[in-house]
Amino acid sequence: EVHLLESGGGLVQPGGSLRLSCAASGFTFSSYAMSWVRQAPGKGLEWVSAISGRGDSTYYADSVKGRFTISRDNSKNTLYLQINSLRAEDTAVYYCAKAGGVVVPDRFDPWGQGTLVTVSS
Amino acid sequence: SYVLTQPPSVSVAPGQTARITCGGNNIGSKSVHWYQQKPGQAPVLVVYDDSDRPSGIPDRFSGSNSGNTATLTISRVEAGDEADYYCQVWDSSSDRHVVFGGGTKLTVL
Repeated sequence: EVHLLESGGGLVQPGGSLRLSCAASGFTFSSYAMSWVRQAPGKGLEWVSAISGRGDSTYYADSVKGRFTISRDNSKNTLYLQINSLRAEDTAVYYCAKAGGVVVPDRFDPWGQGTLVTVSS
Repeated sequence: SYVLTQPPSVSVAPGQTARITCGGNNIGSKSVHWYQQKPGQAPVLVVYDDSDRPSGIPDRFSGSNSGNTATLTISRVEAGDEADYYCQVWDSSSDRHVVFGGGTKLTVL
């Protein structure tokens, strides 16, 4: 069974940094692109970033480009999201999700349970 | 950038058919995926590639896509179908972005 478990969320001050992790199991991790999707309280889903299976292609939403960095360690079956220069509007539950293909993040199945990032002073 | 437009809400009585639309410029040329999200839970893929269902999803869920509109159809609606539904595409243009619709709240009367 495919399982995704996010960690690393928490309360951080504006301008601060966090690194989110997503531990994957139950599938050949390097054979699939992975993605981060966030959801602000009471709002809809917002795609954040994605990375190809080998890690050689990355994609970012315009709202986070230059502040967020996605990466993966295929030897550890783990996906990461480094988030810097945090703003109040980055407050959200961050989900990791497995894509359907190896290169592009076409569709997402399954999703992790999410980790909450709260940006506040 | 590519935009997907969904109605904020749809209401339907139990046993009836719910149709949730997702509008986008020439969306018929793209593969559309649909997710169901219940309160406090992560999203679940219910339809992919316009009309295919992942294993474990009831055949009451179906999808279609043509022209500028994709549609998720839920037949014989049950109380347990009440949830938020999101459409999603991969925009392979120069932006190379994932795009989600704004979401539709399905209310079972």
